[in-house]
Amino acid sequence: DAMVIQNPRYQVTQFGKPVTLSCSQTLNHNVMYWYQQKSSQAPKLLFHYYDKDFNNEADTPDNFQSRRPNTSFCFLDIRSPGLGDAAMYLCATSRDSPGDGYTFGSGTRLTVV
Amino acid sequence: AQTVTQSQPEMSVQEAETVTLSCTYDTSESDYYLFWYKQPPSRQMILVIRQEAYKQQNATENRFSVNFQKAAKSFSLKISDSQLGDAAMYFCAYRRSNQFYFGTGTSLTVIP
Repeated sequence: DAMVIQNPRYQVTQFGKPVTLSCSQTLNHNVMYWYQQKSSQAPKLLFHYYDKDFNNEADTPDNFQSRRPNTSFCFLDIRSPGLGDAAMYLCATSRDSPGDGYTFGSGTRLTVV
Repeated sequence: AQTVTQSQPEMSVQEAETVTLSCTYDTSESDYYLFWYKQPPSRQMILVIRQEAYKQQNATENRFSVNFQKAAKSFSLKISDSQLGDAAMYFCAYRRSNQFYFGTGTSLTVIP
């Protein structure tokens, strides 16, 4: 089945130690998104790629970076994780079609120790 | 700016009963799409139902239906014959172009 896969499902990292979360898709969607979701809150958009064009949200900290080497893969890099970065990170994809919803991955739960 | 408001942080419903989750949004656009997403505990967020703003007819998907009031900028979700598996966080979302805007969610409990 076509889907969005996030690895790992759970990630524990040390304070200040760089960490990378990955997302892959078999849907061939041209738009990919990274969201941060803290407990009982709405997902917060960090950035998205429209094909290879990177779009950063104005309030996304510089500590967060992203790479999209090809259509299928997208990575979220947290250069120096702080305790406040502990959250669920959701990857989502969509086509460039206004009526299309997102397809979400299962998320990566990041713990910072 | 587009904002989405869900005024009910928590709701509960008896199994087999009907519940309505409310959502309001703010936009100056006339062409947009609205969605309801379901996020079960520790599970993937999935699309429940969508509504095109230019369509007056309310969307329906099996036990899920919406009451879309464009002038009032209201988009409520009705769940009929509630089942235990409906227990989840529900997010209302607005889409224009490649931007989605989510509400803060409503946690739905289904009481056996």
